Amino acid sequence: EDQVTQSPEALRLQEGESSSLNCSYTVSGLRGLFWYRQDPGKGPEFLFTLYSAGEEKEKERLKATLTKKESFLHITAPKPEDSATYLCAARGGGFKTIFGAGTRLFVKA
Amino acid sequence: DTAVSQTPKYLVTQMGNDKSIKCEQNLGHDTMYWYKQDSKKFLKIMFSYNNKELIINETVPNRFSPKSPDKAHLNLHINSLELGDSAVYFCASSNWGGDQETQYFGPGTRLLVL
Repeated sequence: EDQVTQSPEALRLQEGESSSLNCSYTVSGLRGLFWYRQDPGKGPEFLFTLYSAGEEKEKERLKATLTKKESFLHITAPKPEDSATYLCAARGGGFKTIFGAGTRLFVKA
Repeated sequence: DTAVSQTPKYLVTQMGNDKSIKCEQNLGHDTMYWYKQDSKKFLKIMFSYNNKELIINETVPNRFSPKSPDKAHLNLHINSLELGDSAVYFCASSNWGGDQETQYFGPGTRLLVL
């Protein structure tokens, strides 16, 4: 069965303290690995799509990487405004996109 | 311009009532989705329509009935609401096989059943 697992559930960082969020996936025939940011009371906001192992994408302080089993979202020198829930999702050979439970990131000034 | 919009934003109703949620997208996508996000923030797919045809129908009670009058709209009607239906419902859209199938989400409809 397709599955997406994110860790840690919650992460507390000081401003400027870099770290990584993990997304492990078990999906047949990966067609895309997605990262979203969700702020309280809002819908998920698209960040990145990765398609093949070795691929990397960057946006401001965020960088997403992909291996055959995992994806990482690296956050470099985070700021308080980076505080949000980060969702990982994977789309396999079927029609469904499977979401992980998310990592809640708190960045303290 | 709002890419994916939903109405209403909040919905408070009594058990047993029937209610509808509407979704519209102006991205020109051909596929639309309904997701349910529970109190633990888990997003689970409920339905998906491609070019007005139902392509995903998860194990959802038949009290939930989606309708897609055209490619830009996907509505969700819920009959005989139950307490367990309380959640946030998100609509999303994408291009099937295009734009790498990235889904874009609406702001959500917060449903509370009393």
